[in-house]
Amino acid sequence: DAMVIQNPRYQVTQFGKPVTLSCSQTLNHNVMYWYQQKSSQAPKLLFHYYDKDFNNEADTPDNFQSRRPNTSFCFLDIRSPGLGDAAMYLCATKAGTRTEKLFFGSGTQLSVL
Amino acid sequence: LAKTTQPISMDSYEGQEVNITCSHNNIATNDYITWYQQFPSQGPRFIIQGYKTKVTNEVASLFIPADRKSSTLSLPRVSLSDTAVYYCLVVLNNNDMRFGAGTRLTVKP
Repeated sequence: DAMVIQNPRYQVTQFGKPVTLSCSQTLNHNVMYWYQQKSSQAPKLLFHYYDKDFNNEADTPDNFQSRRPNTSFCFLDIRSPGLGDAAMYLCATKAGTRTEKLFFGSGTQLSVL
Repeated sequence: LAKTTQPISMDSYEGQEVNITCSHNNIATNDYITWYQQFPSQGPRFIIQGYKTKVTNEVASLFIPADRKSSTLSLPRVSLSDTAVYYCLVVLNNNDMRFGAGTRLTVKP
């Protein structure tokens, strides 16, 4: 059974048109992450939540925002997607600070036209 | 933040043992070493984690020398399905989970 679910699997948006990617988890983990992964590159950490505490990476563009309305759900909002934002977006969870084991979803492949 | 260095790529043949070494010279006392595997179009998957000496599970072994400045992931008798990218992470702040460049392993028949 899928434990970290990302929807949709593929998302196409237009240049400059806001888009929201969603992630849900059934693990009840209190840490949730968003990563961006471009072709042949490593996943790049965008931000993470520890419960409701939001932690933004210093080099994450302002164009990227996130919301976590409750433990189970986390959203990635891209306010004005550019061509350079086309990538796989990965959501992951972790059961607190005393573990380094991440659980990833299958990702959302975003295309920007 | 402990930076990691791995070979960019490695080739192997089916049935061989593969060892991938990761350097983390400025690892801190409380840091753990964690390895992930990623197949194309999938999220990374946790393989193994260790602090010192040797850890073994059903998938791999992890060897960590006494100075902890490096670690070696050992995959016994690889198959074609082990072709993937392998990432070494040294976690500083427990929630600061950043991936290095990774090693692209290609297993050939």
